[in-house]
Amino acid sequence: DGGITQSPKYLFRKEGQNVTLSCEQNLNHDAMYWYRQDPGQGLRLIYYSQIVNDFQKGDIAEGYSVSREKKESFPLTVTSAQKNPTAFYLCASRRWNEQFFGPGTRLTVL
Amino acid sequence: KQEVTQIPAALSVPEGENLVLNCSFTDSAIYNLQWFRQDPGKGLTSLLLIQSSQREQTSGRLNASLDKSSGRSTLYIAASQPGDSATYLCAVSQQETSGSRLTFGEGTQLTVNP
Repeated sequence: DGGITQSPKYLFRKEGQNVTLSCEQNLNHDAMYWYRQDPGQGLRLIYYSQIVNDFQKGDIAEGYSVSREKKESFPLTVTSAQKNPTAFYLCASRRWNEQFFGPGTRLTVL
Repeated sequence: KQEVTQIPAALSVPEGENLVLNCSFTDSAIYNLQWFRQDPGKGLTSLLLIQSSQREQTSGRLNASLDKSSGRSTLYIAASQPGDSATYLCAVSQQETSGSRLTFGEGTQLTVNP
């Protein structure tokens, strides 16, 4: 059963801690993306990767880091430098021109 | 910088009504436009994808149109049902050399009342 999985669904973090969000896809897509969604707003691009071992900053990359060691995986680390990390995080992959999204991870900083 | 606007921000209609959601974008040099549906607390489901060379796409009760030169797209929903209640997001992709990154509007929250 092909698709995009994100884990965990809910994540709680104390201020000053780094946390890593998982994104895995078995669709054999080359390109993957991380977006952030705040209440009542559209999605904003954090990072994207078009191929293994390569990635580019999006519009709001400050305080985030990524890696792309495998085609199937594109984890996102939210570092302590991110000043307002509480949000809904969505991962996507792309086939040709169309993007497909995972179920999301809701991160709350306590 | 590309900006995407969706009007209205919220819409409430009775069941069975036909309705139109609007999306506008400031830079007409797009690669394609995608309409998504988002249920509360969930990810995005792709509804329709329109290439920049196309004028419209249809899927079931949904029809999306694109007027690239004027920077506008509409999503038409026929015979609305309570199950159509969700937030609808419009997103445009710039030229492929930019990684096909999407710029999103803020969405239209649709409620279909039984």
